[in-house]
Amino acid sequence: GESVGLHLPTLSVQEGDNSIINCAYSNSASDYFIWYKQESGKGPQFIIDIRSNMDKRQGQRVTVLLNKTVKHLSLQIAATQPGDSAVYFCAENRDSSNTGKLIFGQGTTLQVKP
Amino acid sequence: EPEVTQTPSHQVTQMGQEVILRCVPISNHLYFYWYRQILGQKVEFLVSFYNNEISEKSEIFDDQFSVERPDGSNFTLKIRSTKLEDSAMYFCASMTGRVGTEAFFGQGTRLTVV
Repeated sequence: GESVGLHLPTLSVQEGDNSIINCAYSNSASDYFIWYKQESGKGPQFIIDIRSNMDKRQGQRVTVLLNKTVKHLSLQIAATQPGDSAVYFCAENRDSSNTGKLIFGQGTTLQVKP
Repeated sequence: EPEVTQTPSHQVTQMGQEVILRCVPISNHLYFYWYRQILGQKVEFLVSFYNNEISEKSEIFDDQFSVERPDGSNFTLKIRSTKLEDSAMYFCASMTGRVGTEAFFGQGTRLTVV
């Protein structure tokens, strides 16, 4: 099938704690994965990406982990801040696609409590 | 920082009317996209555009939809006869390459069909 899905629609964390947002994908041919952050009334904003030949990639306060064996992707946010409150989507982009379209998951709402 | 701009930010239209949503992609990008997001749902691919033609379209993108890049800077989405179910946020995105490059999204146009 062709689907990228997310576990847990809402995640509530205390400010300063670490957050982990999960995503499952179904197509083992997927090559490239991206996490997007969407704040209310805005378009998706790129956070971090990872190619299928990697299992971990780190950015500033964010880490993406890819487990191809179980087709699982996660986004870890360190020291979560109120400004991190948003909906987070994973998305998939395949080398086999001639068009570069993105397939998005359902989204997880991250709520950061002060 | 370069950005994708969309106009209008909000469009209200009567059912059956035609609407045109406008986008100015980032100037050196070659791949252009429209996505749709119904309130509270995930972002869905509508259409991709490259080299002045549609490269892929989804099932949502029926005969009522069309896209155009009339002057080398604007990228438009036209809905010929709007339906209530067309009410959604419409996002334009552009990329420099097909895969493994960041997709930049505009702020979106909220279309309300009444």
